Amino acid sequence: AQSVTQPDIHITVSEGASLELRCNYSYGATPYLFWYVQSPGQGLQLLLKYFSGDTLVQGIKGFEAEFKRSQSSFNLRKPSVHWSDAAEYFCAVGAQQAGTALIFGKGTTLSVSS
Amino acid sequence: EADIYQTPRYLVIGTGKKITLECSQTMGHDKMYWYQQDPGMELHLIHYSYGVNSTEKGDLSSESTVSRIRTEHFPLTLESARPSHTSQYLCASSGERNEQYFGPGTRLTVT
Repeated sequence: AQSVTQPDIHITVSEGASLELRCNYSYGATPYLFWYVQSPGQGLQLLLKYFSGDTLVQGIKGFEAEFKRSQSSFNLRKPSVHWSDAAEYFCAVGAQQAGTALIFGKGTTLSVSS
Repeated sequence: EADIYQTPRYLVIGTGKKITLECSQTMGHDKMYWYQQDPGMELHLIHYSYGVNSTEKGDLSSESTVSRIRTEHFPLTLESARPSHTSQYLCASSGERNEQYFGPGTRLTVT
């Protein structure tokens, strides 16, 4: 079955500390992988995407993610968290064919403490 | 600026009313989607469209309907709203690759 697991429901990080959000997926074919961020009352904003090639991808707002095929993981990282990063983060996997659904994880809520 | 727009952003409506949630995009994308999002849960696809006059049901059963008469417009209609329809509805579009861009969402409450 196709699925995305985000093991951490809620994470609290001190401002300036590093961040890693975990994402594991189960998918039959070679997937496209995405991370989205959602602030309260807003839609989802695409942070970064992996299609092929270099397994370390850079995104907006200083985020990066690393695709590890052997571990079926696509973890999101940021070296230094800012208070404005507090939001909900969703990992998603999709087929390489547009017009198909993305499969989302349940999300990880990030809180940033001062 | 290319974007995806949804109106209304918030809607509180009584049971039995007919409602239409609007979605339009200036991304130039052919493919559009409606997702339903409940707190603490994954997003679930309820409808999608490959282009004009194309509509398909998604993975999550929904009592809503959609239409695609213009490329940029993909409205979702509930003929008779019920409390079980209370949710957030997100519209998205994608280009040739499957990266999907989302609108701000409509939070619907049916009383």
